[in-house]
Amino acid sequence: EVQIVETGGGMIQPAGSLRLSCAVSGFIVSGNYMSWVRQAPGKGLEWVSGIYSGGNVHYSDSVKGRFTISRDNSKNTVYLQMTSLRAEDTGVYYCASAKGAGDGSDIWGQGTLVTVSS
Amino acid sequence: DIQMTQSPSSLSASVGDRVTITCRASQSITTYLNWYHQRPGSAPKLLIYAASSLHTGVPSRFSGSGSGTDFTLTISSLKPEDSATYYCQQSYSGRTFGQGTKVEVK
Repeated sequence: EVQIVETGGGMIQPAGSLRLSCAVSGFIVSGNYMSWVRQAPGKGLEWVSGIYSGGNVHYSDSVKGRFTISRDNSKNTVYLQMTSLRAEDTGVYYCASAKGAGDGSDIWGQGTLVTVSS
Repeated sequence: DIQMTQSPSSLSASVGDRVTITCRASQSITTYLNWYHQRPGSAPKLLIYAASSLHTGVPSRFSGSGSGTDFTLTISSLKPEDSATYYCQQSYSGRTFGQGTKVEVK
C-alpha cells in the first residue's frame, strides 16, 4: 500500500528546534520529488521545501537558512530539520510526493502539527 | 519567486451550477500548473496536473485549461461533495500555491 506518515510534531518554544520525519511505504523516496507543505491555523497552503530525486534541495524564502530537508534512502524516509523556530512556523506540516519535479503531488500524508509557543 | 493569484477568494453556488476559478501566475509557467482541493481536517488532493490533465480517479466534471500565466479550473455541474477549498500550484520553479478559493454548495 502506498502511504506517507509524518511524525515529530509537537509544542516547542520559540528559538527551539524540531525534526519532522516522513516515512514512506509503497514507493521509493529517492525516485520521487518529495516536499513539505505547511498550513497555519485557518490559513492556506504554503510550500516549505523540496528534495529532488537527484538530491538537489530548495526552500521557500521564509525558511531558508533555518530549515534543512534531507532523506535517508535506507529508511525510505524524508526529514525536515527545523531550527530557530518562530511563532509563525506554527501549523500542520504535510509531506507530499510527486513523480517528477514538475508534476503535481499525488500522495500526501495526514500531517503533523507543530506549535511554536512560550 | 513566482506569485500565484487566485480569484475569487470564495463563492457560493447551487447544485448543478457551472463553476469557474481562475489562477494567474506572475510570470510564464508554461503548463506547470496543478489544482488541488482540500476539505476541512483533511490533506489536499490532486485534481488536475499539467494544467489540463485529470488525475486518476477524479470525476470528469472537473477540467483545467490555460498556459503561460492564465489558468482556469471548471466544475461543469456542481455536486454537494465539491464543497472544499481549491488551490492552484505552480511547479515550474520551486512550488507556490495560490491563496485558495472556498467553494460553498448551497
